[in-house]
Parts: sequence; structure tokens; C-alpha cells
Amino acid sequence: DAGVIQSPRHEVTEMGQEVTLRCKPISGHNSLFWYRQTMMRGLELLIYFNNNVPIDDSGMPEDRFSAKMPNASFSTLKIQPSEPRDSAVYFCASSSRVSEQYFGPGTRLTVT
Amino acid sequence: GDSVTQMEGPVTLSEEAFLTINCTYTATGYPSLFWYVQYPGEGLQLLLKATKADDKGSNKGFEATYRKETTSFHLEKGSVQVSDSAVYFCALISGGGADGLTFGKGTHLIIQP
Repeated sequence: DAGVIQSPRHEVTEMGQEVTLRCKPISGHNSLFWYRQTMMRGLELLIYFNNNVPIDDSGMPEDRFSAKMPNASFSTLKIQPSEPRDSAVYFCASSSRVSEQYFGPGTRLTVT
Repeated sequence: GDSVTQMEGPVTLSEEAFLTINCTYTATGYPSLFWYVQYPGEGLQLLLKATKADDKGSNKGFEATYRKETTSFHLEKGSVQVSDSAVYFCALISGGGADGLTFGKGTHLIIQP
């Protein structure tokens, strides 16, 4: 299995631009999670989906952030408009049970 | 709400030293507990887990025991190697569903030859 796939691996954009991060979970997994990692706040859960349905988005920082999962093999996290404080590493993870979550390599986002 | 507290680093040890990274938690019910490891430039990898009290998780020479009475899940290894240098995260899931993990801040471990 290829594991969780994220793209792009690195993204540099200017403030105000739209950013879209992509994730392909492991085939057969029915839960998908988006996390953000920063030095100041550590790892934070932004949103998670179960069977393509958003279950808890209470971690999404504000309305500029949105996430979709149109099918079982693809999810996006969109930031519009982006701000410098959004700079972080964004991880996607998937799982098929209540325990192990498998993480992707992350997308390092820099907003200038 | 749920929370995980782990010792802050960096922790610097010499090769073959004994390692302990402390982790304590606060959670409702009976959480499952995990240690994840993050090598430089990579995502998190599950290192070990324990799902009920007194369970011991182990992998690659690392061990951690789920202690309900002290709400702890300390990570130990008898003899560390340079290749163990990484950031280690303690985490938990509470409740019965496929919820997101609650992570500690992470402990940066540096092993010197």
C-alpha cells in the first residue's frame, strides 16, 4: 500500500491567495483527519470525516478554512484567503478502526 | 476536555543510555493511548499503543505501560541509538468512535554518539 498521499509537499504563496491541500487516504480506510502542526501550538486536529461525512470541525480556526471529502479516496483542505499565520505543516491521516491512524508526509505551507 | 502532558525537550542522551519520556493524561472514560514518532521531514508514525489499563505496548525496543492509577504512559528504552533521534508524541483517543487524536506537545530526543 502506498500509504496516505498528500500534495503538494511544499507550498509557498502570498497572503490573500487561495491554497488547496490534497489528501488521498489509504484504500479501505473510512475515517480521515486533518491536523495542523506549528511550533507554538503543536499538533491540532482541524476536522475529521467518517464515511466521507464531516463529524467534527470544531478545530477549524475560522471561516477561511474549509474541507471537503467528495468520495472515499480524496479530500481537500482549502484556505481562502491565506494569511501568514496559516504557515504550518498540515497533515492528513486515515484509519479504519478506532485506534491506529496513519499519517501522510505532510504539506509544508508558507504564506508570505 | 482531554489533554496530554509530556516532558518538554530537547532531551539529549549518549548512545546506549536508558531513556524515559514521561507522559500523563486527562481524559473522560477509558482512553486508548499511543506513542508516535516523527523523524525529520517526515510524518508521524505509530510507535506503540495500549488500549486498556495495565497493557504494555512495545515496538523496536521501546515500551510503555498504561497506568490507570497514575494516568500515565511513560515511554522507555533500555539502550538508545543515534537512529532514535526524533520527536516523540504521546497521544490518546477517548470515546468509542473514530475520533481525532489528542496529542502532547512532543519531546525532541537527541542521541549523541
